[in-house]
Amino acid sequence: EIVLTQSPGTLSLSPGERATLSCRASQSISSNYLAWYQQKPGQAPRLLIYSASSRATGIPDRFSGSGSGTDFTLTISRLEPEDFAVYYCQQYGNSPFTFGPGTKVAIK
Amino acid sequence: QLQLQESGPELVKSSETLSLTCTVSGGSVSNSVYYWGWIRQPPGKGLEWIGTIYYSGSTYYNPSLKSRVTISVDTSKNQFSLKLSSVTAADTAVYYCARHSGGNYKRAFDYWGQGTLVTVSS
Repeated sequence: EIVLTQSPGTLSLSPGERATLSCRASQSISSNYLAWYQQKPGQAPRLLIYSASSRATGIPDRFSGSGSGTDFTLTISRLEPEDFAVYYCQQYGNSPFTFGPGTKVAIK
Repeated sequence: QLQLQESGPELVKSSETLSLTCTVSGGSVSNSVYYWGWIRQPPGKGLEWIGTIYYSGSTYYNPSLKSRVTISVDTSKNQFSLKLSSVTAADTAVYYCARHSGGNYKRAFDYWGQGTLVTVSS
């Protein structure tokens, strides 16, 4: 089973700032099948990025993903008030599919 | 617009079987492009993939739950279902149904239900 580690656990930033979230895998992820999700309290996760760097339908271009192999990054170029949430990475290249523990982006 | 809706008992007794159904609207579970999955999230914790099904009935399970999980599909009702047997308090979670984004079960989840909290009581 591939274990995903996300850092930092919490990121405290102000609106307009840049957010950089990290996701590291315990082994290389097949075909870079790595996704990022945003989850707000009481809501289901929302797909932001798939295949490490492709934006899902309707996702603003301030969200971008990069990386390959075992190291992946989600970048939010300029935080909007609605971006403060928990972000999860997920690998779906190897079964069982696994999620990281999440990074909370909090308002500073 | 595709919508998924979970339904089922919100309270299940320990050692019994948890049963949930996901009803799909605005799309078809019989669409040969897509696979359908279940994911759960204990209160205040992270996400765990439970398993996935294709309209043909092919299933893929998380080994950690495989001995207790059954996922099935009813194309006539446009639904798929989850059964988890011998539940304990550790199975208390919000259960989500979701769609894999297409072509293969090795795809991200692009549509999610709102989730339903199932509590296991002793």
